[in-house]
Amino acid sequence: SQQGEEDPQALSIQEGENATMNCSYKTSINNLQWYRQNSGRGLVHLILIRSNEREKHSGRLRVTLDTSKKSSSLLITASRAADTASYFCAAIYNFNKFYFGSGTKLNVKP
Amino acid sequence: KAGVTQTPRYLIKTRGQQVTLSCSPISGHRSVSWYQQTPGQGLQFLFEYFSETQRNKGNFPGRFSGRQFSNSRSEMNVSTLELGDSALYLCASRHIEFQETQYFGPGTRLLVL
Repeated sequence: SQQGEEDPQALSIQEGENATMNCSYKTSINNLQWYRQNSGRGLVHLILIRSNEREKHSGRLRVTLDTSKKSSSLLITASRAADTASYFCAAIYNFNKFYFGSGTKLNVKP
Repeated sequence: KAGVTQTPRYLIKTRGQQVTLSCSPISGHRSVSWYQQTPGQGLQFLFEYFSETQRNKGNFPGRFSGRQFSNSRSEMNVSTLELGDSALYLCASRHIEFQETQYFGPGTRLLVL
């Protein structure tokens, strides 16, 4: 399978703490994207990192990509209760094949 | 711009029936992809349509089919429903070929009894 795989499957933290989730994939990618899904709804695109980039920031989000290890991490700093959601990585191949992992369920306790 | 819309939002069917789900992409988007999401399997890619042609297909049985119309709206059909087809079906659209970000609809939740 070429799917991205997230780790951990579930994460529970207190408001204000940082949340880190990881993603691994199988073969060379064009880019890797992170999406958020609030309970039972559609996915919302958060951030994209290209295969030639190592780190990217967007607000409280920081994404890293290690192509030698075929892995990526998403860091959410100073978590808020509103960040409670499931987070998915998507490995993109051939520019038009999206492979999503099974997601990390994040619970931020107020 | 209006987002991706999916109808119906909820559906209850019985085994053996068939179902048709509809997806209207964001105006101007010509690529529509369909995904099945279940608690155990995560998001599984079904197929992608671009300009009325199926470009990619996932590993689903032939009971799952789709089509795209000239206005880019897409439908997916599942025939001879099985209990295991109960899932959230998501569609996503992109502006042009090779646009990198997908925009998702809210999904259709299908329950097969």
